[in-house]
Amino acid sequence: EPEVTQTPSHQVTQMGQEVILRCVPISNHLYFYWYRQILGQKVEFLVSFYNNEISEKSEIFDDQFSVERPDGSNFTLKIRSTKLEDSAMYFCATSGTGDVRETQYFGPGTRLLVL
Amino acid sequence: AQSVTQLGSHVSVSEGALVLLRCNYSSSVPPYLFWYVQYPNQGLQLLLKYTTGATLVKGINGFEAEFKKSETSFHLTKPSAHMSDAAEYFCAVSGTGGFKTIFGAGTRLFVKA
Repeated sequence: EPEVTQTPSHQVTQMGQEVILRCVPISNHLYFYWYRQILGQKVEFLVSFYNNEISEKSEIFDDQFSVERPDGSNFTLKIRSTKLEDSAMYFCATSGTGDVRETQYFGPGTRLLVL
Repeated sequence: AQSVTQLGSHVSVSEGALVLLRCNYSSSVPPYLFWYVQYPNQGLQLLLKYTTGATLVKGINGFEAEFKKSETSFHLTKPSAHMSDAAEYFCAVSGTGGFKTIFGAGTRLFVKA
């Protein structure tokens, strides 16, 4: 069964450093999402992306965050200058088109630790 | 705006007993409703979903949920708990438009031998 993959699985970084989290969507999916889960808390929506544009973003997704699909396959989340509070599990999700668009498939996540 | 409330952050059942995890939602548009399971240090796995049609939906691992519009509920049940069901369960809602998914706070299920 096709699945969403994410790299790296874990990343430790120093506060103020830039990080890039990568996601490889299911091959025919065109809608992409990032979510985060701070330890012990609920999963929170960050951003949705379609047709090379951000469709929707949450208040969390401020100017420190950006997304892109640099090569037509990977979907990346960049945090320009990490803060301690960015420490969380980051999940990529993707969905198809038409009748199945509402079903999002989640990757295994990247655990980010900012020191 | 959409929101999800999961009643009970922790639920403990004995092996073989009924599992009931409660979820109520709020949505200004017809909702799509989901249950996800998260095992320790793993990602989110879709258990089941309701979009349209039959209000009783069956998912993987013997779980099912019933959409009750009048009660704005989507409770998850399983007739007989197994030790392997111990995990965190998230109820979620999305709708038309961007399809961002709003998650509940989660319910951790403990299964006692």
